[in-house]
Amino acid sequence: QKEVEQDPGPLSVPEGAIVSLNCTYSNSAFQYFMWYRQYSRKGPELLMYTYSSGNKEDGRFTAQVDKSSKYISLFIRDSQPSDSATYLCAVSGGNKLVFGAGTILRVKS
Amino acid sequence: EPEVTQTPSHQVTQMGQEVILRCVPISNHLYFYWYRQILGQKVEFLVSFYNNEISEKSEIFDDQFSVERPDGSNFTLKIRSTKLEDSAMYFCATMGLVGGSHSYNEQFFGPGTRLTVL
Repeated sequence: QKEVEQDPGPLSVPEGAIVSLNCTYSNSAFQYFMWYRQYSRKGPELLMYTYSSGNKEDGRFTAQVDKSSKYISLFIRDSQPSDSATYLCAVSGGNKLVFGAGTILRVKS
Repeated sequence: EPEVTQTPSHQVTQMGQEVILRCVPISNHLYFYWYRQILGQKVEFLVSFYNNEISEKSEIFDDQFSVERPDGSNFTLKIRSTKLEDSAMYFCATMGLVGGSHSYNEQFFGPGTRLTVL
């Protein structure tokens, strides 16, 4: 079983749509949960960071963690063409990050 | 806003040659990491470095790899004898103690070095 599973997409949505991106993980020891955005051939850019279960909101972005089901989500409201990128979930037990495969998102104007 | 920088942006080398990839961490950060991403694949952890020593390494990080912080600012990754399969993007990431302990796991990535081994 992979440590982190993420649907690679691509996910194509119209501008203004609500986007839902998801990951599942296998190790209950993970306590830190992150979402990164990566443009082609660039470094991952930290979007959201969550410790333990719960929700965190930052502008149009909401991160959600459900440790009981080992499920993490990122919601993007009012999606824009500039949101088109690969979104990586990452989990950690305190040191190294374990990444999902990344979901390619395309927002069409 | 402080950021992680990496040089060179692109390195082309012949198989068997040594390469050194350089990273300048965010100035008050204490934890340093190298990750790699083979084209089309996921980002993979290589090594973590804290207090001038390796704190954790992956199976990928074999005897051909080494890291050091030679001058208190740069953080380097050396590959002694490159192989074709070392071709990848190499990312440096750094982490500092920010606010309370719950936020200390935020890792910030550099733009990467694209390594091409011919």
